[in-house]
Amino acid sequence: AQSVTQLDSQVPVFEEAPVELRCNYSSSVSVYLFWYVQYPNQGLQLLLKYLSGSTLVKGINGFEAEFNKSQTSFHLRKPSVHISDTAEYFCAVNLNDYKLSFGAGTTVTVRA
Amino acid sequence: EAGVAQSPRYKIIEKRQSVAFWCNPISGHATLYWYQQILGQGPKLLIQFQNNGVVDDSQLPKDRFSAERLKGVDSTLKIQPAKLEDSAVYLCASSSSDTSNTEAFFGQGTRLTVV
Repeated sequence: AQSVTQLDSQVPVFEEAPVELRCNYSSSVSVYLFWYVQYPNQGLQLLLKYLSGSTLVKGINGFEAEFNKSQTSFHLRKPSVHISDTAEYFCAVNLNDYKLSFGAGTTVTVRA
Repeated sequence: EAGVAQSPRYKIIEKRQSVAFWCNPISGHATLYWYQQILGQGPKLLIQFQNNGVVDDSQLPKDRFSAERLKGVDSTLKIQPAKLEDSAVYLCASSSSDTSNTEAFFGQGTRLTVV
């Protein structure tokens, strides 16, 4: 069985400050890992994904994430956030059974 | 490239009524997913199609939910009869392959309110 845990439900942050969103997964086999963003009243959009290779993955809008197999984590980071980064962020994991399982989400609110 | 289209965007119904949602995936995408997203939770997979066949419907409440994907293109999800706890956003997504590392593209969703 697999599960995804997003450790923070709400993350308030000031504009131009760094942000880190934490994601841990539980799986005994290799996984594919994703981060999606959901802006208000919109569908989910892929930020980045880890399939294999380098553990540091760069995505759109200046986001990056690091896969840590020993800690079963895939934390998302951005060194300097903008007001437009206010959104909900979902970590997701996919085993070889093609099912994409999502965490509960982290709401990021960027304030001036 | 046109994205995943869903309709309607919003729907309000009374409990015990029926409702249907429609999804048109990205052209050429063989895999189609329906997710249920309850407020404050992550999306939960209801059903996954590969072309017009069902790959996984293990979390679909089959006593009240049904879905079909005739001709392997667009899809409808139906709830009959609806319950209060069905209030959620229903997301449709599609991908070009059934391999696990393929990105899924999501529609804007249908927000259902059952009163």
